[in-house]
Amino acid sequence: GESVGLHLPTLSVQEGDNSIINCAYSNSASDYFIWYKQESGKGPQFIIDIRSNMDKRQGQRVTVLLNKTVKHLSLQIAATQPGDSAVYFCAENGGSYIPTFGRGTSLIVHP
Amino acid sequence: DAEITQSPRHKITETGRQVTLACHQTWNHNNMFWYRQDLGHGLRLIHYSYGVQDTNKGEVSDGYSVSRSNTEDLPLTLESAASSQTSVYFCASSETNTGELFFGEGSRLTVL
Repeated sequence: GESVGLHLPTLSVQEGDNSIINCAYSNSASDYFIWYKQESGKGPQFIIDIRSNMDKRQGQRVTVLLNKTVKHLSLQIAATQPGDSAVYFCAENGGSYIPTFGRGTSLIVHP
Repeated sequence: DAEITQSPRHKITETGRQVTLACHQTWNHNNMFWYRQDLGHGLRLIHYSYGVQDTNKGEVSDGYSVSRSNTEDLPLTLESAASSQTSVYFCASSETNTGELFFGEGSRLTVL
């Protein structure tokens, strides 16, 4: 079946560095992608989204890049802070408004 | 402010008992979802609803049921709890025409 996966289950960075979290998807019909952040003991929270008619979208300190050719998206976090430590999930929507989630990447930011 | 709340936040029960996890949202969203989260599996969809009286099975629906009698609530029932259902359960809701989910804080269920 279709699946969403992540390349790195754990990413450790130093405070102030830029972080890049990657995600591969296999459903070519997916047209909407979302990144969620989940802090310990809490539910996932929306970070940023991107539609398939875009290649790049920027938010506050975050940028999502979408490469439809290789079915890959990434989340870039600029000047990573300790408060960015969390698990990050990518999710894809194939038009049914039911997102499929990847397994998640744990981001650890060292002071 | 609109919100989505789950209760109880923590529950310990015994194998074979019936358990109901409550989910209440004040967003007035039509779409509601139940996910379970386990290490190594991420978030897996249990059941979802597109509106009142509508319910649908997700990826891992066996042993679970839901009902949707109003817009605000989607309770999740485990008819006969099993140890394999020990997990953290998340309820979420979304507007009809977007994919962004708003999640509750989760309910940690332990089945002994």
